[in-house]
Amino acid sequence: DGGITQSPKYLFRKEGQNVTLSCEQNLNHDAMYWYRQDPGQGLRLIYYSQIVNDFQKGDIAEGYSVSREKKESFPLTVTSAQKNPTAFYLCASSAAPAIGNQPQHFGDGTRLSIL
Amino acid sequence: AQSVTQPDIHITVSEGASLELRCNYSYGATPYLFWYVQSPGQGLQLLLKYFSGDTLVQGIKGFEAEFKRSQSSFNLRKPSVHWSDAAEYFCAVGAGNTGTASKLTFGTGTRLQVTL
Repeated sequence: DGGITQSPKYLFRKEGQNVTLSCEQNLNHDAMYWYRQDPGQGLRLIYYSQIVNDFQKGDIAEGYSVSREKKESFPLTVTSAQKNPTAFYLCASSAAPAIGNQPQHFGDGTRLSIL
Repeated sequence: AQSVTQPDIHITVSEGASLELRCNYSYGATPYLFWYVQSPGQGLQLLLKYFSGDTLVQGIKGFEAEFKRSQSSFNLRKPSVHWSDAAEYFCAVGAGNTGTASKLTFGTGTRLQVTL
């Protein structure tokens, strides 16, 4: 079945450490997204990518980095510069829009906590 | 810039009762609107979407939503709620074509509790 796989499901970060969250999709979607979810704040866009080797900052990109070397993969690195990384991270993808916006399909998320 | 308001943070309904979750949006052009549902610790699942045409759209799991341009609203409804509908619901508005990406702005969500 086609879908989005995020790993790991739970991740712990020590102070000063960079950690990388994996996101893989087999939907053949061009666009991929990373969101951060905090209680009571909904989803906030961190980065998105429309095509391989290209990505744009979202609303809260500071302290995060991404790469898009393959169409199916969009890993997110939470750097030590992100001072409040504890959150639920969601990866999504969407097809190229023939008209308007296409729905985004989501993975099951990674919960990141600070040790 | 577009925005979405979900005025109800938490709603409790009895199983079998009807449900309406409110969503108001702000967007200068024709909006592309979505409702998603999220179970605890899971990702978001698309319930329904509105692009154009009939203002009453049907979705999965017996949900429907009505687009009212004059009220800038896109409320989600279900005639009879089941206990399995307990979850968090998010309304989202699309920013229109931005290349191949479909940037969405999400509301803060409404948590639905269902009592038996």
